Amino acid sequence: AQKITQTQPGMFVQEKEAVTLDCTYDTSDPSYGLFWYKQPSSGEMIFLIYQGSYDQQNATEGRYSLNFQKARKSANLVISASQLGDSAMYFCAMREGNFGNEKLTFGTGTRLTIIP
Amino acid sequence: EAQVTQNPRYLITVTGKKLTVTCSQNMNHEYMSWYRQDPGLGLRQIYYSMNVEVTDKGDVPEGYKVSRKEKRNFPLILESPSPNQTSLYFCASSFSDRNTGELFFGEGSRLTVL
Repeated sequence: AQKITQTQPGMFVQEKEAVTLDCTYDTSDPSYGLFWYKQPSSGEMIFLIYQGSYDQQNATEGRYSLNFQKARKSANLVISASQLGDSAMYFCAMREGNFGNEKLTFGTGTRLTIIP
Repeated sequence: EAQVTQNPRYLITVTGKKLTVTCSQNMNHEYMSWYRQDPGLGLRQIYYSMNVEVTDKGDVPEGYKVSRKEKRNFPLILESPSPNQTSLYFCASSFSDRNTGELFFGEGSRLTVL
């Protein structure tokens, strides 16, 4: 079974609208972390937001928020008031309680295109 | 400026010609790792290192070697590259502290093996 599933290969959204990018995960470890990274066309990986499995509140960073639903094993990224510069590939990733290896397991990504 | 630096950024080589992709970080991170990114597969871990002289295999280590002689450097070695190693490679680093969030990535090295 896939550990991280991103079911939306591509999305087109009108500028200034809110966007939700889906991510579901699978782990039996009680301690884990969930991440979202942005990859623009230039190729670099840009960290957006982090949610720990024991965090009580949903993480927020500026226009980014993470809708963490633990029982559903869901960690959707919400981008408010989308901008043209948000057009990029977005990856959801998980780090499990595998002591010492800070490995991230990545989903296959969602390509977001913001339409003017 | 805190950063992870990879070189070369772009490389075209031929099958069997040994190459090294260097990675250096200036954040005093204990943990370093290599990933490869392929279309439709996301990023997959190749090797990782928890500290100097401590390295271990990730999910796709075949055809690669690494070394960690100094804390700041973690080179990726392809002894005999093959076309299936054509990929985008990322080096990453972080503190070995489960309470911190971010894994810092280099800018990527795009490798083509003919």
